[in-house]
Amino acid sequence: GAVVSQHPSRVICKSGTSVKIECRSLDFQATTMFWYRQFPKQSLMLMATSNEGSKATYEQGVEKDKFLINHASLTLSTLTVTSAHPEDSSFYICSAFADGYTEAFFGQGTRLTVV
Amino acid sequence: KNQVEQSPQSLIILEGKNCTLQCNYTVSPFSNLRWYKQDTGRGPVSLTIMTFSENTKSNGRYTATLDADTKQSSLHITASQLSDSASYICVVSRGGDTGFQKLVFGTGTRLLVSP
Repeated sequence: GAVVSQHPSRVICKSGTSVKIECRSLDFQATTMFWYRQFPKQSLMLMATSNEGSKATYEQGVEKDKFLINHASLTLSTLTVTSAHPEDSSFYICSAFADGYTEAFFGQGTRLTVV
Repeated sequence: KNQVEQSPQSLIILEGKNCTLQCNYTVSPFSNLRWYKQDTGRGPVSLTIMTFSENTKSNGRYTATLDADTKQSSLHITASQLSDSASYICVVSRGGDTGFQKLVFGTGTRLLVSP
């Protein structure tokens, strides 16, 4: 299967700072990438969908000015959590979808802790 | 409303025993159904994927079934191992005309295999 690499795997930041999470498709071109958030013992919740070269589509209730998504190339999407607060602490996972594949492939996830 | 419900919410079994996890969905239009295994702190890894016309699919000790009429799926794990301890997530793809499929996640079943 295709490989999606997410970095960093863990990050601890101070409240009020910004954190950038990268999601890379290593061996395929990802026309569409998805960003999810997962709280403990809960399922993945879709935050936004990004298509290469265009603006991301955010799910209802997700602040687009707080969670900045950039999908500037077919192999890289970034999620920037701006002015992070402790309630933003969560597990963030990306997945990438490419034309011709029947499924999306997931990154390893990023554990964000805001102190 | 597009939903995926899983049962049981959690399950504890002895090593070597078999178990079956259930998934009911109301997603429409249906495209395909996937079972994922998610280890704690990791991204989901695909176990099986089934389309409308497939009734069963195996992947080693994992066997998934799909009844598209009743909109039910099951994941059977045979001869469980300690490494099977994880969350198992049922994900249904909703077909669309946008070129990619929207994924609807179940809440997952947390399986613990004890020695």
